Formats: sequence, C-alpha cells, structure tokens
Amino acid sequence: SQTIHQWPATLVQPVGSPLSLECTVEGTSNPNLYWYRQAAGRGLQLLFYSVGIGQISSEVPQNLSASRPQDRQFILSSKKLLLSDSGFYLCARADRQTTGYEQYFGPGTRLTVT
Amino acid sequence: KNQVEQSPQSLIILEGKNCTLQCNYTVSPFSNLRWYKQDTGRGPVSLTIMTFSENTKSNGRYTATLDADTKQSSLHITASQLSDSASYICVVSPSATNFGNEKLTFGTGTRLTIIP
Repeated sequence: SQTIHQWPATLVQPVGSPLSLECTVEGTSNPNLYWYRQAAGRGLQLLFYSVGIGQISSEVPQNLSASRPQDRQFILSSKKLLLSDSGFYLCARADRQTTGYEQYFGPGTRLTVT
Repeated sequence: KNQVEQSPQSLIILEGKNCTLQCNYTVSPFSNLRWYKQDTGRGPVSLTIMTFSENTKSNGRYTATLDADTKQSSLHITASQLSDSASYICVVSPSATNFGNEKLTFGTGTRLTIIP
C-alpha cells in the first residue's frame, strides 16, 4: 500500500496562532515527500520537499517550515499564521521508478485562518 | 517562465456525452505530462502519464494525447458519467536532473460538471 494519511482533515485557526499539519505514508521506504498548497482558483504550489530524514528543501520563502523526523513522517509547521496561509494543503510522495517519478497525493487538509 | 494553461476553465455537459479538455504548456526541457483528477475536497489522483515520445495513452474512458512539437495535450472523456464531475489538472515535469527536485508545473485545472 502506498497510502498517505493527513490530519487533521479540516482546521480553523486564528491569525497569529501556531500550526502543525502531519503527513504519514505507508509502503516503500525512503520515499520523496512533498508539501503543496492549493489556493482557490490557482494551481498547486510546491512548498517543501524532502529526499530523506532531516533533509528539507524550501521552494517558497514564507512563514512556514517543514520537518521530517522519521522516514515516513512529514510535518508542516508555522509559529504564527497569516490570513494568506489559508488554503488546501496536500502531502505527496514519489518513489524511484522509470516513468518520471509519479507523485501520489494524500487526502489534504483544509486550513482556514480567521 | 514555465507555464501550463488549461481550457476551458469550466465545462458542463450532459451525462453520456463526450468531452475534450485542453492543455498548453511552455515547460522546457520536457520530461513528461500527467493528467490528474481531483474531486472536491480531495487530493488529486493520477489518470495518465506520458513521456515526450508517447502520443496517446488511455485509462478506461479517459484518453490523453500529446503533441510535443506544439506543446499541447488533450484529455478526452468518453460516455461521461456523473462520477466524472471533478477538476482535471494538467501537470508538466521538466527533465529530472535531480530526483526530488522536479519542480512540477501545475495547471489551474478544468472544472467539469456532468448533469443527468
């Protein structure tokens, strides 16, 4: 199984509050893991990706951070949320294969910052 | 700048009819193109993936075509069903020089609604 779990499914947080979104994956070890954000009417935006434990690459400067404390765990955090952080957050995984590193997406977390 | 443009932005068709969604891209270099289906409030699910050497690929009632010369792709849905109502996203991948750092370019999607 290449199942991806994300929680919570929905979250409403006030501006300035902290954030922690968790993603865990099943299946083959050492997957590549990704955090995306999808804003209304816009395409998916890559926020972070990780090729291994403790290895995080940031694609967009912002007040978010990511960590990978275990091989199959990827966490998205913020110390102080902004209104612009509202959106649909998707975790994805990719495994080494010959056809272009197919990415599989989790069910997503809907974040509303009020 | 790498871009993926999809048309139409939204589409409404009757159940049982066929439809075609379009995707134009300017991503270069080019490795592969993918079509995803995203139900409301859910994560995208892969439908097809084509490398630059492939012209067409089918997945049940879904058929994707690719013209790498004109940088165009289409997704044809045959005999539409109510469950086809979703957003369809075109995604283009450049040549992967470093696994994990693909920098996929996503289109904004076509919102398809099937009515009975």
